[in-house]
Amino acid sequence: GQQLNQSPQSMFIQEGEDVSMNCTSSSIFNTWLWYKQDPGEGPVLLIALYKAGELTSNGRLTAQFGITRKDSFLNISASIPSDVGIYFCAGQLGEYGNKLVFGAGTILRVKS
Amino acid sequence: SAVISQKPSRDICQRGTSLTIQCQVDSQVTMMFWYRQQPGQSLTLIATANQGSEATYESGFVIDKFPISRPNLTFSTLTVSNMSPEDSSIYLCSVVRGDSYEQYFGPGTRLTVT
Repeated sequence: GQQLNQSPQSMFIQEGEDVSMNCTSSSIFNTWLWYKQDPGEGPVLLIALYKAGELTSNGRLTAQFGITRKDSFLNISASIPSDVGIYFCAGQLGEYGNKLVFGAGTILRVKS
Repeated sequence: SAVISQKPSRDICQRGTSLTIQCQVDSQVTMMFWYRQQPGQSLTLIATANQGSEATYESGFVIDKFPISRPNLTFSTLTVSNMSPEDSSIYLCSVVRGDSYEQYFGPGTRLTVT
């Protein structure tokens, strides 16, 4: 089945630093989604990407859909303590409403 | 987005028993899914809950172990049957509205089997 390779596995950064994480796959996806999960909560959708090459921002977050449709990255600028959590990429094949394939997650810890 | 609630939020159950988890959405949705998240792991799709028909299960998941109902466009249940400690996980429902590509998750049900 399809697999997503998400890296890094974890990050421990200084408050105010920029963060970058990415996902790659051997499969082509039609949509890339980025989620954040806080402890004891369900994942929250941060950004959705629909077109190859698309660059989308949501506040301090920026994500891009790779040209080859096999990768995506998420950047967080000027990190703050509330950015702590687990970030997941997810790829979607086929038509709208189709099932998602998730990456393993990136654990973000911020030193204040 | 959509407002999604799950009941119970957590439970501790004995081996061999069954638990039914409910997922309620505040408005009609096109698609509903059930995921499992084992401790420290990512999310794995269990099945797609189809309204008025049998759920579509992913490889490794079977109806006898995880029966699913979806009687209407706002509600679904997942039952974890004949539980063992290996079933200890967070179970999450997710929804898609209309012809959107965006999928939204409920808060999850944390299950511990002793």
